[in-house]
Amino acid sequence: GQQLNQSPQSMFIQEGEDVSMNCTSSSIFNTWLWYKQDPGEGPVLLIALYKAGELTSNGRLTAQFGITRKDSFLNISASIPSDVGIYFCAGRSNFGNEKLTFGTGTRLTIIP
Amino acid sequence: EAGVVQSPRYKIIEKKQPVAFWCNPISGHNTLYWYLQNLGQGPELLIRYENEEAVDDSQLPKDRFSAERLKGVDSTLKIQPAELGDSAVYLCASSLSARETQYFGPGTRLLVL
Repeated sequence: GQQLNQSPQSMFIQEGEDVSMNCTSSSIFNTWLWYKQDPGEGPVLLIALYKAGELTSNGRLTAQFGITRKDSFLNISASIPSDVGIYFCAGRSNFGNEKLTFGTGTRLTIIP
Repeated sequence: EAGVVQSPRYKIIEKKQPVAFWCNPISGHNTLYWYLQNLGQGPELLIRYENEEAVDDSQLPKDRFSAERLKGVDSTLKIQPAELGDSAVYLCASSLSARETQYFGPGTRLLVL
C-alpha cells in the first residue's frame, strides 16, 4: 500500500540537540498527525494538525501543516533520552474515507 | 482506563498453519481497526469496523485473511493458511468514531517459519 515519504530515515544525535524531520505526499491531506512508536509498543499520537499552515506545539514538540497540504514537519527541541523511538507521520484526506496513510518512519537514536 | 488489549503478544507458527489474533478495544469505542506493520514500515490498514460492520476492508487479502467483530466490541483477525510473507506485527486500534484519535494496542508479533 501507499506510504508517505519521511526523511531522514534515521537520525543519530546527542542529548540536548534539536531534531527536525519531515513528511511529504503526492496527495493532498486535510489532517496531518505525528505518532511515536517505542519498541514493542503501538504508535502513540503526539500532535494533530487540521489546517494548512497551522503550527502546533506539545511541550518540546512543534509540528507544522504545510501550505500545499502535501507535507508536514516535526521539530523536537532539546532532545532527551526518552525521545528515542520511531516517529511516524500520517495523513487523512477526509473525502468520504477516514483512512490514515502512514509514513515510512524516522528512527531517532541518542548517542550518549 | 484500560487501553487496547491484544493477545497473544507473540506467535510463532509454521507456514500453512492457521493463526488468530484477538483485540479488545477501549470501552465505548465504536470504531476498530486492524493494521499490518512490516519491519521498517509504517502501519497499513487492513480493515475498519464501525460497530459490527466492516466499512473498509479493501486492503484485506480475502483469500487467506478474515476478521469478525460479532457483537461490536472485541474482534478477531485470522490467517489461514499462513505464508512466510505474513511475518509482521499486527496492530489493533480503536477510536470513539472514525474522525477521533486512534489508540493503538501493543500489537501481535507473528513469525511464520
